[in-house]
This record gives sequence, C-alpha cells and structure tokens, in this order.
Amino acid sequence: GAVVSQHPSWVICKSGTSVKIECRSLDFQATTMFWYRQFPKQSLMLMATSNEGSKATYEQGVEKDKFLINHASLTLSTLTVTSAHPEDSSFYICSARDWRLAVNNEQFFGPGTRLTVL
Amino acid sequence: AQTVTQSQPEMSVQEAETVTLSCTYDTSESNYYLFWYKQPPSRQMILVIRQEAYKQQNATENRFSVNFQKAAKSFSLKISDSQLGDTAMYFCAFGATFGNEKLTFGTGTRLTIIP
Repeated sequence: GAVVSQHPSWVICKSGTSVKIECRSLDFQATTMFWYRQFPKQSLMLMATSNEGSKATYEQGVEKDKFLINHASLTLSTLTVTSAHPEDSSFYICSARDWRLAVNNEQFFGPGTRLTVL
Repeated sequence: AQTVTQSQPEMSVQEAETVTLSCTYDTSESNYYLFWYKQPPSRQMILVIRQEAYKQQNATENRFSVNFQKAAKSFSLKISDSQLGDTAMYFCAFGATFGNEKLTFGTGTRLTIIP
C-alpha cells in the first residue's frame, strides 16, 4: 500500500518550453502533496506544499509563476515548469500524505523525475 | 524554523560490520517525529525507521535501530550486520506533529558497504 507514481520518469526539453510532471497516489487519497527538488549529490529541497482543492504554498525563493502546481484531485498533483531553462535541470520528487491515515506524519515518495533542459 | 545536521558526508564499512550515522537537529517544538530515509542509486526514497519524540524507547526495525537523545537533540542510526544492499544515501528528517506538515531534511550521508 501507499504507492506514489510519477510520470514521466525522465524528460528532455528545449529551453523555453514548458514541461508537466504528474504525481499520483495509487492506493490512497493524498490530502497533501509535496514537491521537492534535488541537485546531484545534494539533499531534497522542498519547493511547495499543496492541499487538494486549494492553492499551493511555496517555499521562500521558489518562483510560483515558474513552477505551477495544481492539486485538483485527491490522487493527482502536477508540477509545470514554465519556460524551462538549463538551470531548471534537476531531479524532481513528489511525496504524498493522507492526514487521516498518517498519524505519524509519514510521507510517501514517488520515484522522481529527471528533467534535462537543453 | 527547524534545522537538521548530518556531519558525516561519507562513510564506508566492511560488510557484516556495524555502522552508526549521526544526526542532530534544532527545534523549539516539544513533540515531533524524526525519520531516517534511504536513497539508493535508483533515487527512490525509502523510509528506514521513524521515532516519535514523546516515546522514550528507541525505535528498532530489524537490523536498524536509533539512539534518540531528546535533551541533546541527537538522533543517530545504527545499522547492524551491514549488507551490500545498504549502500545508499541516508537522510535524517524532522517532521512537526501538527500544523506544519513539512519534512526538513539533513544534507545526507553517503554510505558504502565494502564487500
């Protein structure tokens, strides 16, 4: 149980284009989803927190107009990198949580998406 | 704001030996959760073990155990009888109990098990 998927697992795009990454909870309802960014050999940096049906809360320094997050249903959140540039190349990881189940604050992580912007 | 510090960027140990990874944190919260996550080369984050701050007993999961010292704000992970499959990045993480659901991660320790 508690499986989270991400799609695509790997994407290459040209500079200036937009890329959408999907995060799905497969066997539970994700009341909250989190988006992280991880540079090579570094830790996970939280980008934003999204609750189903409401606007995402972005961490300080994260451009909300560049990284659009939509959490329209209890099983799907999307991250759209708009007008991508080479410096946006990174590994993006989502995680999901159901507050009704996660009494211990556990988050379930997706397998990540590697974005390369040429 | 919470901070999590992992002072060992890299460690290596012979297979079957025991290794301890250190983690310290800073918080003003009285109740919270602490986690150790493993990230193997596949980069999938895997929960290794968790500790609830209000519990004095140290958590254990098979070969994995923690030494939780609340007063010292220390949360180390001990891996016994280490196996080649334990080779991975290990992240210590802090999670508040209520309200703020975010996890704050440490910088990680790269553990290599030597055959």
